[in-house]
Parts: sequence; structure tokens; C-alpha cells
Amino acid sequence: AQSVTQLDSQVPVFEEAPVELRCNYSSSVSVYLFWYVQYPNQGLQLLLKYLSGSTLVKGINGFEAEFNKSQTSFHLRKPSVHISDTAEYFCAVSSVGYQKVTFGTGTKLQVIP
Amino acid sequence: DTAVSQTPKYLVTQMGNDKSIKCEQNLGHDTMYWYKQDSKKFLKIMFSYNNKELIINETVPNRFSPKSPDKAHLNLHINSLELGDSAVYFCASSQVSVSGNTIYFGEGSWLTVV
Repeated sequence: AQSVTQLDSQVPVFEEAPVELRCNYSSSVSVYLFWYVQYPNQGLQLLLKYLSGSTLVKGINGFEAEFNKSQTSFHLRKPSVHISDTAEYFCAVSSVGYQKVTFGTGTKLQVIP
Repeated sequence: DTAVSQTPKYLVTQMGNDKSIKCEQNLGHDTMYWYKQDSKKFLKIMFSYNNKELIINETVPNRFSPKSPDKAHLNLHINSLELGDSAVYFCASSQVSVSGNTIYFGEGSWLTVV
């Protein structure tokens, strides 16, 4: 079985400040990891993904995430947020060889002007 | 060209009615999904089809019936709609053998049952 936990349901942050959105996963096998962003009234858009190789993954809109196998984490970071980053962010995990992708409960990032 | 498209985007209907949501993907993927997102933004998989074959069927009332006429289409039919069915329904697709099963979502269908 696989699962993913996003510890923070909401993260308020001032514009131009750095942000980290936390994600922890559980799986008995190797995993693929994803971050998606959902803007209001829209579908989910892929931000970045970890499949293999370098543990630091860079995505769109200046976001990056680091895969930490020992801590079973895949935290999302951005050094300086913009108002337009206000959205819901979802972490997701898929165990290698397993069809299903499991999503976390989401973290609402609120950027304060 | 929209990769995963679903219609309608908004649907308001009365309890007890039957409704369908259609989905098409032009990515050439083998696998398609239906996800349900509730008012708290929780996203749960409902069904998954691979090459027209049902492979994932989560605990979903049998009032919900997916149909996949070909691997590019996955429609969702809902019978006897209830208030609790109000949610956003997302169609999605992926190619499991490529890109680690990266899922591509449609824009969503907002269903409101009154």
C-alpha cells in the first residue's frame, strides 16, 4: 500500500519570501513522486516529478523539490513567491510497478501582498 | 489543442436525475481515470481503465458507471443523482510505461445536485 501526507493544510507567506510545502510518503517499494498545482476553478497541472536520478528536481514557475529517501519526504520549495503562486498544491506518489497514483490532501498556499 | 478534454464543465441538476460526463484524450495514452474532488479539495480516484479494460474500481456506488468505447474516451454516467454527488469530477490519462505514470488532468466538471 502507498500513502502520502501533506502536513500543512494552509501556508500563508508574504510575497517575495521563501516557502516550503511539506510532503511525506509511505511505500514498500520504490516510488515516483509528483507535485501538482491547482489554480481556482481549474484542473491540476504538473509542477515537477521525481522518477529517478538526481534527488533535486526543478519544475515550472521556479519551484523545486528534493527527494529524501531516508526521511521519505519530497518537500516543495520556492525561494521567492509571487502573488500568482496562490493556489492549492498536491503531492502524489506512485509505487513503481503499481498502476495507482495516490494524492495528498493538498496544501493551500496563500501569498500575502 | 486540449490534451484531456471533458464536457460539460458545469452541470446543475436535480436529485434523482441521470447525467453523463464525457472525456476524451488526444495524448495517445493507454490509461484513463476518473477522480472526484470534494468541497474540501480531497482528490480520490474512482475508476481507471487501461486499453478499455477496467483495472481500478474504488469503493464507488454502483450508480456510477464508467464506459470506455476506445482507449481515447472514458465517459462517466451517474444514475439517480444524490446531493452528496455534488463535487468536481476530473478525467485524466497517463501512459504507465513512460514518465513514471505521470497523470494529465482535464479541466474538471463541476456537478451541483439540488
